[in-house]
Amino acid sequence: DGGITQSPKYLFRKEGQNVTLSCEQNLNHDAMYWYRQDPGQGLRLIYYSQIVNDFQKGDIAEGYSVSREKKESFPLTVTSAQKNPTAFYLCASSIRDRVDQPQHFGDGTRLSIL
Amino acid sequence: GQQLNQSPQSMFIQEGEDVSMNCTSSSIFNTWLWYKQDPGEGPVLLIALYKAGELTSNGRLTAQFGITRKDSFLNISASIPSDVGIYFCAGQRVQGAQKLVFGQGTRLTINP
Repeated sequence: DGGITQSPKYLFRKEGQNVTLSCEQNLNHDAMYWYRQDPGQGLRLIYYSQIVNDFQKGDIAEGYSVSREKKESFPLTVTSAQKNPTAFYLCASSIRDRVDQPQHFGDGTRLSIL
Repeated sequence: GQQLNQSPQSMFIQEGEDVSMNCTSSSIFNTWLWYKQDPGEGPVLLIALYKAGELTSNGRLTAQFGITRKDSFLNISASIPSDVGIYFCAGQRVQGAQKLVFGQGTRLTINP
């Protein structure tokens, strides 16, 4: 089945540690996105990528980094510079430049601080 | 970054009742989307709206794209227990980049 796979489901980070969240899609989508969700709030855009080897900052990019070396993969690194990393992280993908093809989401990774 | 104003924040209803929620914005959007999120999972797309004034149904769900392009509503008729969850509206303004702006969500609880 085609879809978006995020791993791990749960992740724990120690103070001062970088961690990387995985997002893989087999939908052949060009565009991929990372969102952060805090309790009682909607999703906020961290980074997005419309094509391999290119990505742009979203609204809350500070303390995060991404790479897009392959079309199907868009990993997110939460760096030690992100002082409040505890949140639910969601990855999405879509067909590029098609407003009638909305974003579809993975099942998320919950990150907590030890 | 901007977030849409979604209301109500939470609803407690009896099974079988109809539900209505809405989103408003100070900015114009080209597309309105409605998603449902179950605990510990990612949002699932319910309805997508692409034209101002458009009224679209998906089973017991009906959504409308406001004429001013600054608002949208979602109605659920004859609610059932599996409707429980958090509903999010999302607006898309920029063609191509397809960046979405989300509402804060409406948490729906149903008493059997």
